[in-house]
Amino acid sequence: EVQLVETGGGLVKPGGSLRLSCAASGFSFTNTWMSWVRQAPGKGLEWVGRVKSNNDGGTTDYQIHVKGRFTISRDDSKNMVFLEMKSLRTEDTAVYYCTTETPPYYDFRSGNYFGAIDYWGQGILVTVSS
Amino acid sequence: QLVLTQSPSASASLGASVKLTCTLSSGHSNNVIAWHQQQPEKGPRYLMKVSSDGGQSKGVGIPDRFSASSSGAERYLTISSLQSDDEADYYCQTWGTGFPVFGGGTKLTVL
Repeated sequence: EVQLVETGGGLVKPGGSLRLSCAASGFSFTNTWMSWVRQAPGKGLEWVGRVKSNNDGGTTDYQIHVKGRFTISRDDSKNMVFLEMKSLRTEDTAVYYCTTETPPYYDFRSGNYFGAIDYWGQGILVTVSS
Repeated sequence: QLVLTQSPSASASLGASVKLTCTLSSGHSNNVIAWHQQQPEKGPRYLMKVSSDGGQSKGVGIPDRFSASSSGAERYLTISSLQSDDEADYYCQTWGTGFPVFGGGTKLTVL
């Protein structure tokens, strides 16, 4: 059974930092792209960023609103992924979900690429407030 | 710009069927999309993906009551024999310029 368990959330002041961890089990972690998706209170889902598998270069990508402030990393020896958040803003307040992500493949019928979020953790709340 | 549009809410009676809609913006009408279910106070769960021709692929353990289909730029999620724990938020998701893009979600109420 796939399990993704987030820890490290809490209350932090604007401008502060926080590090989220995600412990993964039940699948081949080394070969899996890992992502973070967040959900502000009462709002929808927003992709935050990813770290690719080391087979795919181990590189990271971020959405524009967090680029330069958030850093995602992975430790394949421990099956863990991390989200380091700095210069936090009130608008970063959200539940943060650790997820697996299927690398995009080319869909000939649409002429576009498609990739999906496959598995989700239970989420961890980060509150940025003074 | 890639946008996924969902009605904010839907309702149907226990035991009935409901069809939720996700509309792809112009220029993206052929995109594959995925459906995710978020029950109250829980993390989301991947249900299935559906392509422009209606071909679908379900996630592990997803009941046969859940099915997907397509027509033009619209992608549908049909839930039959509604149960109380189907009451949830349902999100569609596709692929933007290098990252997943989500619709705003539909809150399904089971009456």
